[in-house]
Amino acid sequence: ETGVTQTPRHLVMGMTNKKSLKCEQHLGHNAMYWYKQSAKKPLELMFVYSLEERVENNSVPSRFSPECPNSSHLFLHLHTLQPEDSALYLCASSQDLAQVIYEQYFGPGTRLTVT
Amino acid sequence: AQSVAQPEDQVNVAEGNPLTVKCTYSVSGNPYLFWYVQYPNRGLQFLLKYITGDNLVKGSYGFEAEFNKSQTSFHLKKPSALVSDSALYFCAVRPWGGYQKVTFGTGTKLQVIP
Repeated sequence: ETGVTQTPRHLVMGMTNKKSLKCEQHLGHNAMYWYKQSAKKPLELMFVYSLEERVENNSVPSRFSPECPNSSHLFLHLHTLQPEDSALYLCASSQDLAQVIYEQYFGPGTRLTVT
Repeated sequence: AQSVAQPEDQVNVAEGNPLTVKCTYSVSGNPYLFWYVQYPNRGLQFLLKYITGDNLVKGSYGFEAEFNKSQTSFHLKKPSALVSDSALYFCAVRPWGGYQKVTFGTGTKLQVIP
């Protein structure tokens, strides 16, 4: 285990539903990330938080809304999604952003299917 | 803008043979380079990184990678492949200096054949 947990592991939702993905890291890290992983595509960075402050919003549609209440928890709120949003959503953390050499620790991901 | 190319979607190698997974990068200035591995139904797991210094970097599970600045490459290698090495491998790059996002490649599926 990497010390990063994600729930739920699988989620099926209709286009009109609202749901949330949860990520928790037990590593004492200061930076957290959301990525989208689709087959045959590079990992897409969605959001970056450092000490609960959003530092990057990578042109993500507003139907994805992140929340970072503290440095250990990260949420991704979903509403009115499209079928092309079906993917594996990965959460990651790193010690901090200031020291760029730190690697990221990933959770197992949430497999999202939008019907 | 930085980029990473992993030219092979899949690499097949017989168990016990050496393996190489290729990665080339493009970045302004000096790079930080990483390799991650993803097993089925799991997130990415850090293998090794190049920051500075020795061009040959050793990492987890017997893997190593060679940084070649003139060829802008960072190929992943292992002298003797195991069936348990079968997984998806990602190369990643970020430039030096301040906060810069990490750019990942599309991944290479390694299949080790018994």
